[in-house]
Amino acid sequence: NAGVMQNPRHLVRRRGQEARLRCSPMKGHSHVYWYRQLPEEGLKFMVYLQKENIIDESGMPKERFSAEFPKEGPSILRIQQVVRGDSAAYFCASSRSMSANGANVLTFGAGSRLTVL
Amino acid sequence: SQQGEEDPQALSIQEGENATMNCSYKTSINNLQWYRQNSGRGLVHLILIRSNEREKHSGRLRVTLDTSKKSSSLLITASRAADTASYFCATGATQGGSEKLVFGKGTKLTVNP
Repeated sequence: NAGVMQNPRHLVRRRGQEARLRCSPMKGHSHVYWYRQLPEEGLKFMVYLQKENIIDESGMPKERFSAEFPKEGPSILRIQQVVRGDSAAYFCASSRSMSANGANVLTFGAGSRLTVL
Repeated sequence: SQQGEEDPQALSIQEGENATMNCSYKTSINNLQWYRQNSGRGLVHLILIRSNEREKHSGRLRVTLDTSKKSSSLLITASRAADTASYFCATGATQGGSEKLVFGKGTKLTVNP
């Protein structure tokens, strides 16, 4: 059981380029979450997906950011036309289907660190 | 917002001492969870306490929850240098049919050998 796998671990982009971050959830997990963490800050929720569905994208910036979780393959967080303010660590987490009482424990990946020059 | 806020922001103690971190939140929750993050790594789930529970133990960890005060505390007893990490509380509540976890900014714990 390899856990939540994220790649790349480090990504450097110049302003205006695109960044694609990938996340393979833990085996048996069908829920994927993306969070962003700035230095010395907590995690900010971005988006929650299930296979082929975006369930909650209330934390996603309205422009330039998109996420998907296709039927086959990893979840992708895509940032178009990156700006310096996008530099951050992006964490993916996964969980099983919700339990009857709604408790949701997340398993996190090691994160992808994006640096925009 | 239901965001949890940890207090203190940073805590430095000697090995063997106990460490107490607090978390306050704003709205009704289903559960509250504590996670740990080592520098440059992902978060690791430590313990979950449900809204109808008041106290929970796991090894050297003790978590309390006071829903009337909307606060929780995490106690690490007999701390070790390896406990050095950032600790985050996360509140879980149902919104729009799904549960979303909202994290606080964390407490940075340093345990000096």
